[in-house]
Amino acid sequence: KAGVTQTPRYLIKTRGQQVTLSCSPISGHRSVSWYQQTPGQGLQFLFEYFSETQRNKGNFPGRFSGRQFSNSRSEMNVSTLELGDSALYLCASSLAGLRDIQYFGAGTRLSVL
Amino acid sequence: GQQVMQIPQYQHVQEGEDFTTYCNSSTTLSNIQWYKQRPGGHPVFLIQLVKSGEVKKQKRLTFQFGEAKKNSSLHITATQTTDVGTYFCAGRGGSQGNLIFGKGTKLSVKP
Repeated sequence: KAGVTQTPRYLIKTRGQQVTLSCSPISGHRSVSWYQQTPGQGLQFLFEYFSETQRNKGNFPGRFSGRQFSNSRSEMNVSTLELGDSALYLCASSLAGLRDIQYFGAGTRLSVL
Repeated sequence: GQQVMQIPQYQHVQEGEDFTTYCNSSTTLSNIQWYKQRPGGHPVFLIQLVKSGEVKKQKRLTFQFGEAKKNSSLHITATQTTDVGTYFCAGRGGSQGNLIFGKGTKLSVKP
C-alpha cells in the first residue's frame, strides 16, 4: 500500500507570493491533517479534514487555508507569503476510527526569500 | 489552551546507556501517541497508549501512560546508534480538541 504522498518536495518562493501544497493520503484514510515544522516551534497543527469538512483548526492566521476533495486528497494554500513561513509542511493521514494514529508524508520544504 | 511539554530537549548518550524522555500535559488526555523522526525524515508512528497506567514494550523501548493520563514516558534500554532521532509525544485533550505534539527530545548516540 502506498504511503502518504506530498508534492512538491521542495519549493522556493518570494515574499508576497502564494503557494499550494498537495497531499494524497493512504488509500482508505479519510482523515488528513497538516502541520508546520520549524526548528524553534516543533510540530504545530494547522488543520484537520475529514470527509471534505474541516474538523479542527490550529492557531494560524487566515493566510493559511486548506481543503479536502471527495477522494480524500487535500491541499493547503498559503497566501501573501512571509519569511517566517519558511518551514517543512507535513501532511498526515489516518483511519476514521483511529484519527490520532497518524501516518506522515515526507513533507514539502518551503523556503521564502 | 492545552499544552504538551516534553523534557529533556536534547540528550546525548554513549551507546549502551539507557535513555528516557518525559511528556507532560496541562490537561487530561484521552490517549497519547509516540513518534520518532530520524534526521532528514518524517515522524513515524511508534505506539498509542489509551488506558490509565498502561505500559507497553517494543523490544528495547518501554512506554508508560500515567495514572492521571496527564503524563507519559518513553524509555530505551541499551541505546544503539539506530535509535538516533527526535522522539515526539502527541495527545488530544478531548474528541473536539486538536492533536498537540510536544517539541520533542533529540537523542544522539555516540558509538
